[in-house]
Order: sequence, then C-alpha cells, then structure tokens
Amino acid sequence: DVKVTQSSRYLVKRTGEKVFLECVQDMDHENMFWYRQDPGLGLRLIYFSYDVKMKEKGDIPEGYSVSREKKERFSLILESASTNQTSMYLCASRPTHGEQFFGPGTRLTVL
Amino acid sequence: GENVEQHPSTLSVQEGDSAVIKCTYSDSASNYFPWYKQELGKGPQLIIDIRSNVGEKKDQRIAVTLNKTAKHFSLHITETQPEDSAVYFCAASSNTGFQKLVFGTGTRLLVSP
Repeated sequence: DVKVTQSSRYLVKRTGEKVFLECVQDMDHENMFWYRQDPGLGLRLIYFSYDVKMKEKGDIPEGYSVSREKKERFSLILESASTNQTSMYLCASRPTHGEQFFGPGTRLTVL
Repeated sequence: GENVEQHPSTLSVQEGDSAVIKCTYSDSASNYFPWYKQELGKGPQLIIDIRSNVGEKKDQRIAVTLNKTAKHFSLHITETQPEDSAVYFCAASSNTGFQKLVFGTGTRLLVSP
C-alpha cells in the first residue's frame, strides 16, 4: 500500500515562529504536493515538486517555502507563522501517470 | 487557469436514498476528473475517476458521469449508507503541461439512518 506520512497530526505554534511540516512517501513517486484545506475553500495548492530539488509555486505560495532534498521527503516551511496560516495542511504524492495519494493532514494552529 | 465549482456544499439524505454531487469546470483542455472522499480525521482518498474519452463509469454503488460539451461531471451514490457520510471533493486536470489537480470546494454528505 502507498503510504504518505506527515510528521505531526496537530501542531500549535506562536506568531513569528518558524514552522516545519514534514512529509514522507514510500512509493518512489516523482511528484509531491502541499495543499491547505479551509472550510468552504476546498484544497488549495501551495507548492509542488516534480523532482528532487525542483519546486514550483502553486496558487497560494505567499508566506511559504518548500524543500525537497530527497525524493521521498517534501517539507513545507512557514518562515514566520501568522494567525492566517492556521489551517489543515495536506501533503500528497503521485507518480508521473497515476493516482494521487494524500497524507492524513496536519492541523496547524498559530496563536 | 482551471476553475472547478462544486454543488451543493452540504447534502443530507436518508439511508437508502441516492445522492448526487455536481461539478463544473472551465478549461476545455481538462481530461481527467477524479473524486475524493475525506472521512473525519483522514486525508482525501480517491474513490472513482473518469477520463474525457468516457461518458460514464460505475463501481458498485458509485458512478460518475461526464458531459464534455457542458463541461460538467457528477458523482452519483445509490443506496446510501451511514458510512458514506464524509466530505467529497471533485477535481479536474489537464494533460497540457504538468498535470495539477484543481479541486472543488467540497460537499459534506450526511446519511441519516
């Protein structure tokens, strides 16, 4: 079974903190994605990566950065967390041609 | 870019009834349309998908229909059961360039016993 794991299920941080969200997939997928999920807004793409060290902005990249140093790992970084970044964050991975799999999500609260 | 609209935002049905969720898309180049189910506390999971060369696809109690001319596609769940209660997302992607999924805003389905 494909597995996408996220480092934390729940996270509480303070405004201004640097936050790292980690995602690991075990199926050698080329493509990895970070979304945020907010009520009434669905899933919005923050960043994606189609190869190691490659990254592309999604629809809402402001305030975020990413890192992909290894194929299996894709990290989302909030350089200086703000309250409007309180959200559910979902990581996903997908082979070049095939189904997209999601992790369980990290619910981040910024106080 | 692609825009996907999804309706209704919430849907309540009695067990055994049918449920229909509708989505429209804007990019005529879109050719792949998956549906995801998200249960409480979990990430979305693919339940069915359809490509633009097919008008309908069924998998047991679930079916998806696609109307390319009107640019809309629908999820049909028959004989609903309480375990069908979840949030459902439609999505669309194009085969031009990198295939990014664009998601609808989600439908919360509640099936009452």
